Amino acid sequence: RKEVEQDPGPFNVPEGATVAFNCTYSNSASQSFFWYRQDCRKEPKLLMSVYSSGNEDGRFTAQLNRASQYISLLIRDSKLSDSATYLCVVNIQYGGSQGNLIFGKGTKLSVKP
Amino acid sequence: NAGVTQTPKFRVLKTGQSMTLLCAQDMNHEYMYWYRQDPGMGLRLIHYSVGEGTTAKGEVPDGYNVSRLKKQNFLLGLESAAPSQTSVYFCASSYHGQGGSEAFFGQGTRLTVV
Repeated sequence: RKEVEQDPGPFNVPEGATVAFNCTYSNSASQSFFWYRQDCRKEPKLLMSVYSSGNEDGRFTAQLNRASQYISLLIRDSKLSDSATYLCVVNIQYGGSQGNLIFGKGTKLSVKP
Repeated sequence: NAGVTQTPKFRVLKTGQSMTLLCAQDMNHEYMYWYRQDPGMGLRLIHYSVGEGTTAKGEVPDGYNVSRLKKQNFLLGLESAAPSQTSVYFCASSYHGQGGSEAFFGQGTRLTVV
């Protein structure tokens, strides 16, 4: 089982739609969780961190379920500018090390007019 | 504010040639990383550094070497390029360890080995 798995996508949705991305991770020792956004032929950029209590930033809501080892990202009222690839990222720490970020393969979103 | 800058942005190498990719950050970050991104594979960590003068292996270190002689610079070397090293390379830096703060990425280097 891969360490971080995401929906394969691509997701093609109309403007205004609500879209949900799912992600599972295999290492129960994972400490930190993030969603990054990557535009075509650009570098990844942090979209939001994911906290156990869940967190919201405008149209974006992230949820974490540690028991199920599951992370989600919900985008409401999607805009054309939301078209990008969304990367689920997990920090996995080994012993006393600072850990490393493990990236999922990403899910491509295309928002159409 | 430049952030993380990678040079070059594009390069074509012949098999067996060597090259060095340069990453520079102006945010005074302790931690720096080199990733490669291949279609269908996601980002994979090659090497990383937790401070000036230190380096460590990541997930896919074979065929690469790195150096961190100055805090702001992290160099990735390919001693004898192979077609399997055709990829997009991203450098990143962060203030704390990767779990503790946002990672900022450079714009990437597109490398083709023929």
